[in-house]
Amino acid sequence: DADVTQTPRNRITKTGKRIMLECSQTKGHDRMYWYRQDPGLGLRLIYYSFDVKDINKGEISDGYSVSRQAQAKFSLSLESAIPNQTALYFCATSQGSGANVLTFGAGSRLTVL
Amino acid sequence: GQNIDQPTEMTATEGAIVQINCTYQTSGFNGLFWYQQHAGEAPTFLSYNVLDGLEEKGRFSSFLSRSKGYSYLLLKELQMKDSASYLCAVRDTSQAGTALIFGKGTTLSVSS
Repeated sequence: DADVTQTPRNRITKTGKRIMLECSQTKGHDRMYWYRQDPGLGLRLIYYSFDVKDINKGEISDGYSVSRQAQAKFSLSLESAIPNQTALYFCATSQGSGANVLTFGAGSRLTVL
Repeated sequence: GQNIDQPTEMTATEGAIVQINCTYQTSGFNGLFWYQQHAGEAPTFLSYNVLDGLEEKGRFSSFLSRSKGYSYLLLKELQMKDSASYLCAVRDTSQAGTALIFGKGTTLSVSS
């Protein structure tokens, strides 16, 4: 099983719908992140959480919200999806010590029509 | 603010050596990372530099000069499987939480 699991892997939805992307990890890491990746723009940070009671906005948080339900779970919600939120979304985790290397999930491809 | 620049695309042939450059401007610095990402897959960690100098790991090496805001990733004995995007990322300590900031990536195509 993967250390960082994202569901769903692919989702097609319509404008205005509420969407939740879920992430769970078995690495025991305290830090979790959500990034989106768009062609030509690279990975951009949406939200991050350093523990269950800590939620922080990243570079592009508008239109998104997150919930850290447990140390191992971090979900990303789009309350009312719009077409420019079509992207590849990655969840990542890190230990928060030493090099603090990010481990990424396999990604969730979201298409908003 | 922060800015991370790397070339958009590079091409090379099997067996060759390629150097992918990355320059950065950040208000604070606490480490530079290189990740490899094959098309449609998750980025995977390659290397980490926090002090000046060269870090070698098999066919891959990474160099850092903090005074110049410069790093490179050196790939030796290129193989077809090295065709991927290579992402430079910096930990900017001036940003709350010091999360990683990524460059846009360099797509490397290796031909036979």
